[in-house]
Amino acid sequence: QKEVEQNSGPLSVPEGAIASLNCTYSDRGSQSFFWYRQYSGKSPELIMSIYSNGDKEDGRFTAQLNKASQYVSLLIRDSQPSDSATYLCAVNYGGSQGNLIFGKGTKLSVKP
Amino acid sequence: GAGVSQSPSNKVTEKGKDVELRCDPISGHTALYWYRQRLGQGLEFLIYFQGNSAPDKSGLPSDRFSAERTGESVSTLTIQRTQQEDSAVYLCASSSGTFNTQYFGPGTRLTVL
Repeated sequence: QKEVEQNSGPLSVPEGAIASLNCTYSDRGSQSFFWYRQYSGKSPELIMSIYSNGDKEDGRFTAQLNKASQYVSLLIRDSQPSDSATYLCAVNYGGSQGNLIFGKGTKLSVKP
Repeated sequence: GAGVSQSPSNKVTEKGKDVELRCDPISGHTALYWYRQRLGQGLEFLIYFQGNSAPDKSGLPSDRFSAERTGESVSTLTIQRTQQEDSAVYLCASSSGTFNTQYFGPGTRLTVL
């Protein structure tokens, strides 16, 4: 069974610190990986996608992928209170014909 | 461009009634997905449409749930004889392309009294 695991948190970091969110997945055939942010009462919003090993940076966000270890992470630099949300990791096992498997999410709280 | 839209945004119904939820995907997106999210819980996959292929219905929780999509356009999720445990936010997403990047609509909050 294909699974995506995340620590549910809550992860609490002070404002200005680096928040590190982690995700592991079960199937080595995974092809693409996504991080979504979900504010309370809102729908998930795509913030990062990554397809190959290594780092991908976009503003304050960096996604890191290690396919050998079946591990993907999201780093948020200079964390702001507005980053407080639940972060969902999603893995695509089936290419353009497949579905995403979502983790249950990590709740992040950034304290002023 | 326009994103995924869903209607209604909120729906309150009485136990035993049927409800229909609508999703308009992003234009040109070949795939459409329905999810359910109960309060404080993760996303629960319901059903997936890809072009003209037979839908993947593996996530539908019971035969009271069904969904239709005509071509690559609007989809309707129908819940018959609603129960209180059906109360949740129903999310629709659409995607296209090699990496299957999904974009979500705002959701429909269903409350069954």
